[in-house]
Amino acid sequence: DQQVKQNSPSLSVQEGRISILNCDYTNSMFDYFLWYKKYPAEGPTFLISISSIKDKNEDGRFTVFLNKSAKHLSLHIVPSQPGDSAVYFCAASMASGTYKYIFGTGTRLKVLA
Amino acid sequence: GAGVSQTPSNKVTEKGKYVELRCDPISGHTALYWYRQSLGQGPEFLIYFQGTGAADDSGLPNDRFFAVRPEGSVSTLKIQRTERGDSAVYLCASSPTGPNTEAFFGQGTRLTVV
Repeated sequence: DQQVKQNSPSLSVQEGRISILNCDYTNSMFDYFLWYKKYPAEGPTFLISISSIKDKNEDGRFTVFLNKSAKHLSLHIVPSQPGDSAVYFCAASMASGTYKYIFGTGTRLKVLA
Repeated sequence: GAGVSQTPSNKVTEKGKYVELRCDPISGHTALYWYRQSLGQGPEFLIYFQGTGAADDSGLPNDRFFAVRPEGSVSTLKIQRTERGDSAVYLCASSPTGPNTEAFFGQGTRLTVV
């Protein structure tokens, strides 16, 4: 039972263009969402988060959008750079729980120079 | 270093053997998590510590897996009678106490059971 889903296993984008990574979840109790970036042979690195009381959070080139009614969030990267090439994981947690994260299966982003 | 440190970075063991994986969290972080990541999958939750106690061990797959954090800092994940299916990258993460805080991950231990 996959509670957090990333349906696109891979995505290729031209340098300078926008990258949009999508994530869907099924558990309406989730109220905190995060995106992590992972390079080969490294642990996941925190990128950006959003609380369910917001619908948008922006940090430099990265923006996360949350649509609670659709149980959907997305990460926008503008402009995309070759160094952004990595696997991106969406994760969700419940503040009322033990704060453990439930991760999606990841989307491999390749930014073409 | 200031980050989460995991040792060893790689471990090869024979089926049936016992292994221990170590995690040094960021100083001052009271929450510690263990995750397991198999090829092509996202990290899968195993266990969560708040201080010295395991607040949630619902992700441990069976009783061959056990973890401790005796002094509320370093944690050890122990796997008995290893099986080939245990092969994966084991990730440790730590975070400050409280909700809505991001966890910081170590680089992982790649366990291979042959």
